[in-house]
Amino acid sequence: NAGVTQTPKFQVLKTGQSMTLQCAQDMNHNSMYWYRQDPGMGLRLIYYSASEGTTDKGEVPNGYNVSRLNKREFSLRLESAAPSQTSVYFCASSEVFRNTEAFFGQGTRLTVV
Amino acid sequence: KNEVEQSPQNLTAQEGEFITINCSYSVGISALHWLQQHPGGGIVSLFMLSSGKKKHGRLIATINIQEKHSSLHITASHPRDSAVYICAVAQFGASNYQLIWGAGTKLIIKP
Repeated sequence: NAGVTQTPKFQVLKTGQSMTLQCAQDMNHNSMYWYRQDPGMGLRLIYYSASEGTTDKGEVPNGYNVSRLNKREFSLRLESAAPSQTSVYFCASSEVFRNTEAFFGQGTRLTVV
Repeated sequence: KNEVEQSPQNLTAQEGEFITINCSYSVGISALHWLQQHPGGGIVSLFMLSSGKKKHGRLIATINIQEKHSSLHITASHPRDSAVYICAVAQFGASNYQLIWGAGTKLIIKP
């Protein structure tokens, strides 16, 4: 039982390049989330998917797109990376949207130069 | 003023000591989370509370909804408990969902 798996763990991009962060969970959870963590800012919600087939914006969605490919997988895409998107990204999942504990992936450290 | 305040920001203690980390919030919430982030960066969800008290091993979390305050306690602390502990409050509206995060408490337990 791997829990929440994120890939890649590290990535360096040039400004303007695109990439997709992958996230998969094997706990049959309905809800999945993408966060970014910046020094002194705590974790901020980028997008979430309350259930398969739905996605919604969180606190800081600009510059990102998401796809809930199926119940297991929730990807985050940067279409044209900017240095302001240098951050650590965390994917999380929870059994049911609202009032359940969330399980986090190990994080992706992204640097945009 | 931040909507979620944690105290202390930093805490160093000796192995075996009883640890308390506090979280106060100023907004209405649906639930409160306590999470642990290790030096390697991984985040582990410890508790989700909407009322009362929960216990898991040496960890105890309490919440007082009226006072808008939660505490995380660690009994018989151990160096492996060294980590950043984060409080986050969840707000669920009719059509949105928001998690507001505290800044974290860095805990160091010395052997």
